Amino acid sequence: EVQLVESGGGLVQPGGSLRLSCAASGFTFSNYWMNWVRQAPGKGLEWVASINKDGSEKYYVDSVRGRFTISRDNAKNSLFLQVDSLRAEDTAVYYCGRPDGYRATDVWGKGTTVSVSS
Amino acid sequence: DIQMTQSPFSVSASVGDRVTITCRASQGISSWLAWYQQKPGKAPKLLIHAASSLQSGVPSRFSGSGSGTDFTLTISSLQPEDFATYYCQQVNSFPITFGQGTRLEIK
Repeated sequence: EVQLVESGGGLVQPGGSLRLSCAASGFTFSNYWMNWVRQAPGKGLEWVASINKDGSEKYYVDSVRGRFTISRDNAKNSLFLQVDSLRAEDTAVYYCGRPDGYRATDVWGKGTTVSVSS
Repeated sequence: DIQMTQSPFSVSASVGDRVTITCRASQGISSWLAWYQQKPGKAPKLLIHAASSLQSGVPSRFSGSGSGTDFTLTISSLQPEDFATYYCQQVNSFPITFGQGTRLEIK
């Protein structure tokens, strides 16, 4: 079964850091780009970051560039999002996703929740 | 950045109705558009990719059309399980952007 499972979320103070992980199974992880998408409480979906198959290309939404870092470990079938200098507006459910050949995300994890509050 | 504008923001409809949601891109994106359905507390589900291609396993009452800047998602005959929020997403270029969502409610 193709599956993505996120972990690493939690409650953190403003300015803090977390490392989000996404464990992939059921497919050849190294053959796919990967995404992070987030959703603030009661709000819509926001793309956060993407990484290519070998990790040599990374793209970010402007609001997180310089604070968040996407990475992957193909040997461990894992995707990561290092989130630093967290702000209240980063509070959201963070989903990892696998884009298909048409770049649409056809596999999603269930999400991990990041709450930024003092 | 490419802005995606969905309309309507919300729509009330009854089981059996035909519903159309539109999505407009601020610049041409060819057919690099996807549609998702999301239910409360759940991850999004891919319905349509490449503007008009039905994702495997998605009922045929869902259809997508359009290219360039104007796109539509149509549900031909609403079923109870279709009441949810729908998002369009452009995947033509980075930053990837979503529409603001259309909430489909039961009348």
